[in-house]
Amino acid sequence: KNEVEQSPQNLTAQEGEFITINCSYSVGISALHWLQQHPGGGIVSLFMLSSGKKKHGRLIATINIQEKHSSLHITASHPRDSAVYICAVRRNTGNQFYFGTGTSLTVIP
Amino acid sequence: NAGVMQNPRHLVRRRGQEARLRCSPMKGHSHVYWYRQLPEEGLKFMVYLQKENIIDESGMPKERFSAEFPKEGPSILRIQQVVRGDSAAYFCASSSRPGQGFSTDTQYFGPGTRLTVL
Repeated sequence: KNEVEQSPQNLTAQEGEFITINCSYSVGISALHWLQQHPGGGIVSLFMLSSGKKKHGRLIATINIQEKHSSLHITASHPRDSAVYICAVRRNTGNQFYFGTGTSLTVIP
Repeated sequence: NAGVMQNPRHLVRRRGQEARLRCSPMKGHSHVYWYRQLPEEGLKFMVYLQKENIIDESGMPKERFSAEFPKEGPSILRIQQVVRGDSAAYFCASSSRPGQGFSTDTQYFGPGTRLTVL
């Protein structure tokens, strides 16, 4: 079993829809990151969370430490949001990151 | 302020050759992380280095792989005697702090080196 599980694996949405991607983890963590990987492979760090909620533009990330769960929301989705979204956690012992396998999002105009 | 730089972006090697991947962290960052992304799989941590020190290499294969981050110059990931299974995208990330415990540290990723072993 992976330390980090994401759902759904694939998601197709119409432009303008509200999108939620979920991440559950099974280890104690010091931080959780949401990453965006575009076709061609470049990776961008979107958020780093240790508690609560963060917002950046149309992106909102939340984390519930007790439930070991995080969600990434995209409001008013746009075709340029099409990418793979990856959840990564840093263990609270040591320096390792563990990654989910990603959620592939396609937003259709 | 230039971002994390990796070169080459694409590298083709024949089985048995050596591959050297370079990573220049962001200015002011002294912590470097290497990750491997196999086809159709998620990212996997390989190694974490500070200047002149390997801090955590628990994700690195025990044979043929080595990493360094010298006092001057880029971090190098070296793969000796490459095999087809080494074909992957190798990403480097850097940060200004190790992020022990809760912190505001974040990692910045390079564009990756895509290694193809023929």
